[in-house]
Amino acid sequence: QKEVEQDPGPLSVPEGAIVSLNCTYSNSAFQYFMWYRQYSRKGPELLMYTYSSGNKEDGRFTAQVDKSSKYISLFIRDSQPSDSATYLCAIMGFQKLVFGTGTRLLVSP
Amino acid sequence: EPEVTQTPSHQVTQMGQEVILRCVPISNHLYFYWYRQILGQKVEFLVSFYNNEISEKSEIFDDQFSVERPDGSNFTLKIRSTKLEDSAMYFCASSKTGNQYSNQPQHFGDGTRLSIL
Repeated sequence: QKEVEQDPGPLSVPEGAIVSLNCTYSNSAFQYFMWYRQYSRKGPELLMYTYSSGNKEDGRFTAQVDKSSKYISLFIRDSQPSDSATYLCAIMGFQKLVFGTGTRLLVSP
Repeated sequence: EPEVTQTPSHQVTQMGQEVILRCVPISNHLYFYWYRQILGQKVEFLVSFYNNEISEKSEIFDDQFSVERPDGSNFTLKIRSTKLEDSAMYFCASSKTGNQYSNQPQHFGDGTRLSIL
């Protein structure tokens, strides 16, 4: 079983739509969960990080963690064409991040 | 906002040659990392470095790889005798703290694209 699983997409939505991106993970010991955004030929850019279960909101972005089902989500409200990128979930293990494959998001005007 | 910087942005090297990738982490960070991303694949952890020594490494980080913090600002990844399969994006990252009980996330540079011919 993979440590972190993520649907690679692509996910295509019209501008203004609500986007839901998801990951599952296997190790219940994980405590910190991150979402990174990666534009083509750029490094991962930290968007959100959360500790344990619950929600965290930052502007149009909401990160949600459900430790009981080992499921993490990122919601993007009022999506914009500039949100088109690959979104990586990452789990904080000991001394390292374990990444999902990334979901490619395309927001059309 | 402080950022991680990496040089060069693109490195082309003949197979069998040695290559050094350079990184300047964020100045008040204490933990440093290297990751790689082969085209079309996920970002993979290579090594973490703290207090001038390796704290964890992956199976990928074999004897051909080494890391060093030669001075107070730079953090380098050396690959000896490069192979075709070493072609990838290499990302440097840094964080204030570095374990699963901490809430200080890792910040990444824009990477060095390494092409082995």
